[in-house]
Amino acid sequence: NAGVTQTPKFRVLKTGQSMTLLCAQDMNHEYMYWYRQDPGMGLRLIHYSVGEGTTAKGEVPDGYNVSRLKKQNFLLGLESAAPSQTSVYFCASSYSLGLAGKYNEQFFGPGTRLTVL
Amino acid sequence: AQTVTQSQPEMSVQEAETVTLSCTYDTSESNYYLFWYKQPPSRQMILVIRQEAYKQQNATENRFSVNFQKAAKSFSLKISDSQLGDTAMYFCAFMGLNTDKLIFGTGTRLQVFP
Repeated sequence: NAGVTQTPKFRVLKTGQSMTLLCAQDMNHEYMYWYRQDPGMGLRLIHYSVGEGTTAKGEVPDGYNVSRLKKQNFLLGLESAAPSQTSVYFCASSYSLGLAGKYNEQFFGPGTRLTVL
Repeated sequence: AQTVTQSQPEMSVQEAETVTLSCTYDTSESNYYLFWYKQPPSRQMILVIRQEAYKQQNATENRFSVNFQKAAKSFSLKISDSQLGDTAMYFCAFMGLNTDKLIFGTGTRLQVFP
């Protein structure tokens, strides 16, 4: 049981290049999330998904796109990378809420450090 | 909108001593969850402790305990008998009752000295 994995672990891009970050989970979780972590700002939600084929915007969605074609995978894309997107990206997953108010822990991946020059 | 504030960017404590990390939050909801996450140098996010707002009793997990003051919207983390392995960034986080979205504070960097 690998939990939540992220590929790649490190990446350096030039401004204007594109790339896709892959998140995979083997816990059969319904919900998946992408966060970015910047110094002095904590983690901020970029996009999230409440099930296969569905995605929604989080707090800082501009410049990113996502897709959830398979339940176990959640892809984060940068179409034209900018230096402002230099950050550490975390993926997380959890079970669905189920009964209203039922807490479900989010499990985090190890993160991807992305540098845009 | 909910906000989470951690006013201590850095803290230090000597091994075996006790340290308290502060967190305040703002919300109009009456029921919610609060969390403390630990992020060691490995970057892995680790859930340390959680508190349900509808429970008056403060949560405890071994050496970690919280002081939850609902009226004051305060949620501090106390680490007793600090160990070198407690050195990490600590994030306070909020989650509303009917959502799975976590809202994080800016973090407190804790250094434990021998």
